[in-house]
Amino acid sequence: KAGVTQTPRYLIKTRGQQVTLSCSPISGHRSVSWYQQTPGQGLQFLFEYFSETQRNKGNFPGRFSGRQFSNSRSEMNVSTLELGDSALYLCASQGVDNSPLHFGNGTRLTVT
Amino acid sequence: GDSVTQMEGPVTLSEEAFLTINCTYTATGYPSLFWYVQYPGEGLQLLLKATKADDKGSNKGFEATYRKETTSFHLEKGSVQVSDSAVYFCALSPQAGTALIFGKGTTLSVSS
Repeated sequence: KAGVTQTPRYLIKTRGQQVTLSCSPISGHRSVSWYQQTPGQGLQFLFEYFSETQRNKGNFPGRFSGRQFSNSRSEMNVSTLELGDSALYLCASQGVDNSPLHFGNGTRLTVT
Repeated sequence: GDSVTQMEGPVTLSEEAFLTINCTYTATGYPSLFWYVQYPGEGLQLLLKATKADDKGSNKGFEATYRKETTSFHLEKGSVQVSDSAVYFCALSPQAGTALIFGKGTTLSVSS
C-alpha cells in the first residue's frame, strides 16, 4: 500500500510570493492533516480536512489555507510568504478517528 | 489547554545502553497517547500507542506505559542500537476527531 506522498520535497521562494503544497493520502483515508515543523516551535497543527470539509483548525493566520478534493488529495497554500514561514510542512492521513496518523516525508520550504 | 512536555535533549548513549525518555502530559478527560519517531530527512512514523490507563504500548523493543496517576508516558528500551538514532516525539490525542498535540521532541544519538 503506498504511503502518504507530498510534493514537492523542496521549495525555495521569495518573501511576498505564494506557494502551494500537495499531499496524496493513503488510499481509503479520508482525513488529511497538515503540520508545520520548525526548530523553535516544534510541530504545530495547521488544519485538518475530512471529506472535503475543514474539520479542525490551528492557530495560524489567514495566509495559511487549504482544501481537499473529492479523491481526498489535499493542497495547502501560503500567501504573502514571510521569512518565518520557512519550515518543514508535514501532511498526515488517517483512516478512522483515533487511529494513528500516517505522515509523509514533508515539503521543506525555504523563504528568502 | 492540553499539552505534552518531554525531556530536553540531546540524549547521547553508547550502543546497548538503557534508554528512558520522559514524557508527561496535561489533559482533561482520557486522551490517547503516542510515541512517534523521525529519522533524518523523513516524516514521523508511529512507534507505539496506548489508549487507556495502564495500557502498555510496545514495538521494536521500545515500551511505554500509560500512567494516569502520574500523567506520564515514558519511553524505554533495554538496549539501544546505532540505528535508533532519531528524534522521538511524545503526543496526545484529546479525543477522537481532534488534532494531535506534540511535545518538542527529544534527539537521541547512539554511538558504537
